[in-house]
Amino acid sequence: SYELTQPLSVSVALGQTARITCGGNNIGSRNVHWYQQKPGQAPVSVIYRDSNRPSGIPDRFSGSNSGNTATLTISRAQAGDEADYYCQVWDGNTVFGGGTKLTVL
Amino acid sequence: QLVESGGGVAQPGRSLRLSCVASGFTLSYYGMHWIRLAPGKGLEWVAVISYDGSIKYYSDSVKGRFTISRDNGENSLYLQMNSLRAEDTGVYYCARDKGSWYCDYWGQGTLVTVSS
Repeated sequence: SYELTQPLSVSVALGQTARITCGGNNIGSRNVHWYQQKPGQAPVSVIYRDSNRPSGIPDRFSGSNSGNTATLTISRAQAGDEADYYCQVWDGNTVFGGGTKLTVL
Repeated sequence: QLVESGGGVAQPGRSLRLSCVASGFTLSYYGMHWIRLAPGKGLEWVAVISYDGSIKYYSDSVKGRFTISRDNGENSLYLQMNSLRAEDTGVYYCARDKGSWYCDYWGQGTLVTVSS
């Protein structure tokens, strides 16, 4: 089965840029979606189909996907960006990465 | 809006039926997913059903035990969970599929606890 690998945690200084990676075999050939989940809340989509932002998501959030790595980039990180982030692809079944906890210092 | 219900406490081996009612959009236009979040773990996809109910897929962990279904006339999605196990414990979310297996709207979730 297809596997997605994310770092368990990423830390970023307030106002700086955070990059969260999602590794998978030839993931660049697939559509990658990203979700943000805060404690006690439902997940929220922040990027879909590699690099598209849903309505209401600030342009500080961006995505890229090439080769074996997809990346979610959060510019000018804010305290409110602290959350778990998950990547997702379809491979016959829907597959989620293990999630990355983002800490804003 | 998506609102889940039907969660609760069940003993191992017993059953529960989850419901998800949609409002503000026509459910029959969309595929729908069930996704869960176990305590201390990450999101796990459970099942998906096509817009008309003709196609269903399940994760290996629930195949043969869970059944996804829908009633478009009632704008509702269901998950029948049989032979429950402790590892089925978690918050269950329904989510709308916007295409490319992308979930654009999620409910707030319903908690399922499997314990003796």
